[in-house]
Amino acid sequence: QVQLVQSGAEVKKPGASVKVSCKASGYTFTGYYMNWVRQAPGQGLEWMGRINPNSGGTDYAQRFQGRVTMTRDTSISTAYMELSRLTSDDTAVYYCAREVNYYGSGTYYNPLAYWGQGTLVAVSS
Amino acid sequence: DIQMTQSPSSLSASVGDRVTITCRASQSIDNYLNWYQQKSGKAPKLLIYAASSLQSGVPSRFSGSGSGTDFTLTISSLQPEDFATYYCQHSYSNPLAFGGGTRVEIK
Repeated sequence: QVQLVQSGAEVKKPGASVKVSCKASGYTFTGYYMNWVRQAPGQGLEWMGRINPNSGGTDYAQRFQGRVTMTRDTSISTAYMELSRLTSDDTAVYYCAREVNYYGSGTYYNPLAYWGQGTLVAVSS
Repeated sequence: DIQMTQSPSSLSASVGDRVTITCRASQSIDNYLNWYQQKSGKAPKLLIYAASSLQSGVPSRFSGSGSGTDFTLTISSLQPEDFATYYCQHSYSNPLAFGGGTRVEIK
């Protein structure tokens, strides 16, 4: 079965960086895009970007451009999300989420069907 | 960028009630619309994709409809385990975006 297991909670100082990992199992890692979504305390879901584990190509949300880097290590089926220049506004639970590919009506649909358990990143001085 | 607006932001309902949540996109997204359920402290769970297709394992009391800019999620008979927050999300183009969420509470 598909499993996404994320790294543990982190506490960081303002201005620091954090790197969250997402280890995949139960499927071919390079076959599906991996997305990163965050959720601030009591708030909604925010898409940060995604990585193509096969090519390493990335798409980032504009508001994170220059601050986020998504990478992968195919030898250990793990995706990474690194966020730099942290502020208190970056305190959130960070999720990795894998797309699935459904075909219908002549096109593909790619909802986020598998999610990691989430990683709390707390930014505090 | 495409913005997603959900309404209401919260609602109170009783077990057995029919519940409808709406989601509006700022421009046409055809039927590239997904719905998720999130319970407190848990990751979101996919319910509906392509506006109206039920994800495997999701009870048939959940249904979705709509295309273009206006979409609905309906729970035909609310069950105790359905009290949660629901999010719509478009997958029409990058950047993907979620609605603000609808919290379904017990009346």
